Amino acid sequence: KNEVEQSPQNLTAQEGEFITINCSYSVGISALHWLQQHPGGGIVSLFMLSSGKKKHGRLIATINIQEKHSSLHITASHPRDSAVYICAVGADKLIFGTGTRLQVFP
Amino acid sequence: NAGVTQTPKFQVLKTGQSMTLQCAQDMNHNSMYWYRQDPGMGLRLIYYSASEGTTDKGEVPNGYNVSRLNKREFSLRLESAAPSQTSVYFCASSTGQGGLSEAFFGQGTRLTVV
Repeated sequence: KNEVEQSPQNLTAQEGEFITINCSYSVGISALHWLQQHPGGGIVSLFMLSSGKKKHGRLIATINIQEKHSSLHITASHPRDSAVYICAVGADKLIFGTGTRLQVFP
Repeated sequence: NAGVTQTPKFQVLKTGQSMTLQCAQDMNHNSMYWYRQDPGMGLRLIYYSASEGTTDKGEVPNGYNVSRLNKREFSLRLESAAPSQTSVYFCASSTGQGGLSEAFFGQGTRLTVV
């Protein structure tokens, strides 16, 4: 079993829909990261959180340490949100999930 | 700001050839990393450097060597490339080590070994 599991693996949505991507992990962590990988390949950090909830624009990330689970929400999704979203958990090193491929259609 | 710069972006090697992937960051970060990304798998750590002058093996170090030339630069060398090393390679840096610091990634190097 992978130490970091993401679901779903693939997700399609219509523009404007509310999106949820889930991440469960089985190891002890210091923090959890959400990353976005664009179709061109570049990876950018969206959030780093160790408790509670963070919001940036239309993106919201939550984490439940007791349940070892995090969610990434996208409100009012847009085609430019189409990307692979990667969850990573870390203590001394980061362990990455395999990513969720999101496609948002107009 | 340049952030993390990797070169080259694409490379094709023949089996047995050697090459060095270059990485430089201009954010004064202490820690630097090399990852590989393969289809259906998460990013896997090859080597990392917690500070200038130190390097340590990650999850998949076999077939690779690294050099932390100075605080800015961290290179990855393939001495004798093998088809199993066909992958996309990412360099990253962070202020501190491990999961407590935001990581900044380069644009990636797509390497094909034939």
